[in-house]
Amino acid sequence: SQQGEEDPQALSIQEGENATMNCSYKTSINNLQWYRQNSGRGLVHLILIRSNEREKHSGRLRVTLDTSKKSSSLLITASRAADTASYFCATDASNAGNMLTFGGGTRLMVKP
Amino acid sequence: GAVVSQHPSRVICKSGTSVKIECRSLDFQATTMFWYRQFPKQSLMLMATSNEGSKATYEQGVEKDKFLINHASLTLSTLTVTSAHPEDSSFYICSGAQGAGETQYFGPGTRLLVL
Repeated sequence: SQQGEEDPQALSIQEGENATMNCSYKTSINNLQWYRQNSGRGLVHLILIRSNEREKHSGRLRVTLDTSKKSSSLLITASRAADTASYFCATDASNAGNMLTFGGGTRLMVKP
Repeated sequence: GAVVSQHPSRVICKSGTSVKIECRSLDFQATTMFWYRQFPKQSLMLMATSNEGSKATYEQGVEKDKFLINHASLTLSTLTVTSAHPEDSSFYICSGAQGAGETQYFGPGTRLLVL
């Protein structure tokens, strides 16, 4: 069953703006990961944040994790048209043997 | 990062035929491989988990006799969709991991269209 819920389901912004996507989950986790998927393509791993971490940066990406609220956010700063894709969060739940459960995804469109 | 390939990338078949999809870890040994299915504009749904040399563990609602998984080596897993029907048309993605708790590396996916 899907654990992660993402919002918004779709987001349309102008190039240069920031994009924020949120993910909520239900059970305790080992880590939470964010992936990107271009239309009809495979997944690209963006960033992993462990349950004992609160914030992580990678280039223009910033991920936060609030385990008390069971939520995470992905911020893409200074967006580019090439950032247009679907973004998924995935949780690696405790005792699940690194099985990932994916959220519904956010479809991001960045207009040039 | 580690690379996972899938073959074919796209397949069209007639209803009632069987289709085999290969998933290979190219530069690492995947003790565990995962198979996901993704319908248009939806998220990935885990179908099954396979450990090398043992039977796959299927998620609830996934028919093991319809989706045959073989993980005979540390670098190859296959998913065979038997007696495919149009509702099996989907995007199938595999991933491999070197062990429990290790990062999953995803393949590029296989798009199956059953006519």
